Amino acid sequence: DIQMTQSPSTLSASVGDRVIITCRASQGIRNDLGWFQQKPGKAPKRLIYAATSLQNGVPSRFSGSGSGTEFTLTISSLQPEDFATYYCLQHNSYPHTFGQGTKLEIK
Amino acid sequence: QVQLVESGGGVVQPGRSLRLSCAASGFTLSTYEIHWVRQAPGKGLEWVAVILHDGTNYYADSVKGRFSISRDNSKNTLYLQMNSLRVEDTAVYYCVVTGSWGQGTLVTVSS
Repeated sequence: DIQMTQSPSTLSASVGDRVIITCRASQGIRNDLGWFQQKPGKAPKRLIYAATSLQNGVPSRFSGSGSGTEFTLTISSLQPEDFATYYCLQHNSYPHTFGQGTKLEIK
Repeated sequence: QVQLVESGGGVVQPGRSLRLSCAASGFTLSTYEIHWVRQAPGKGLEWVAVILHDGTNYYADSVKGRFSISRDNSKNTLYLQMNSLRVEDTAVYYCVVTGSWGQGTLVTVSS
């Protein structure tokens, strides 16, 4: 099975900051990776698909990069509504696997 | 637009069974791969199972042999049959297709 190592597990930041979250795959997954945002009590929402493509309706301050084994989610200028938990998901092979999550907190 | 509505969750004793449903609208379920994903209270997301457009299915090791995914094309509905339930199966269960998620249904396994 492919393991997804996501870091950091917790991130404290301020409105306006640029933040980067990283996911590392235990083997190459091409660009078969998505990023999701989840707020308390809500279903996750997909932000990025195919590692770099922005989901319709998602603000352009979110971007994804990487391929193979190293991936990043960047938020260029944090807004108050961005404080949430973020997950990566590899869908290159079964079983699909999520990263452990990154909780983005207000500093 | 794509809409997914899960149902069937509840409280069940260890070792018993439960069947979850996911009613789909806005698309034809049989032409997509549809997933179940779960989230234990206060924990991260865990992929559970998938059914492909040709009916092939795959499962997480944690549920293999106990859970079964299926669909009824006439009802445009996805199912998850959960047998031999364990306390650690307690979670909110979501159905997911092409990045769209349902609202989830809570399964609590407790004596």
